[in-house]
Amino acid sequence: KQEVTQIPAALSVPEGENLVLNCSFTDSAIYNLQWFRQDPGKGLTSLLLIQSSQREQTSGRLNASLDKSSGRSTLYIAASQPGDSATYLCAVRSNSGYSTLTFGKGTMLLVSP
Amino acid sequence: GAGVSQSPSNKVTEKGKDVELRCDPISGHTALYWYRQSLGQGLEFLIYFQGNSAPDKSGLPSDRFSAERTGGSVSTLTIQRTQQEDSAVYLCASSLLSTGNTIYFGEGSWLTVV
Repeated sequence: KQEVTQIPAALSVPEGENLVLNCSFTDSAIYNLQWFRQDPGKGLTSLLLIQSSQREQTSGRLNASLDKSSGRSTLYIAASQPGDSATYLCAVRSNSGYSTLTFGKGTMLLVSP
Repeated sequence: GAGVSQSPSNKVTEKGKDVELRCDPISGHTALYWYRQSLGQGLEFLIYFQGNSAPDKSGLPSDRFSAERTGGSVSTLTIQRTQQEDSAVYLCASSLLSTGNTIYFGEGSWLTVV
């Protein structure tokens, strides 16, 4: 059974810092990995999708990497802003069964001005 | 539509009553998913639809929970005889057919059972 772990559970940084969020998964047989953002009281917003054959994806100040063999992904946020404050969720789509997403519990990020 | 639409956005119901939650996926998306998010918990998979069929119902927590999808579009999640532990946010998501595609979520239906 796939298990996804996110470290740290919470992170507080001053505005302007670069930061890294970590995600690890136990079964490397995956189709892809997706990073989401969730604001309080809201649904999930997709940030980046990395296919199993890819090493990284970039969107603006966000860069996500994937090392499938070691079961790890990182989300790098450059020059953090207060508007980046949210919970960041990592989800893995396994290639066994019907390939639904398995989520980590998220990293709660607070960027202070 | 432009995004995944869910209704109601908030629902307060009395213990023992039945509730129906509706999901309208992005137009053209054949895959539809229901997840549940309880306070302080991660997202829990409930059920997956491909078209109108549900090949994976493994996440439904009890026989009080059921879901259907008609016309390959709108889906309804029904909870019968609600219990307080059913209080959670119920999130719907959709994607194109291929497993390589991005999954898009709705804003969720916040259910409180009193």
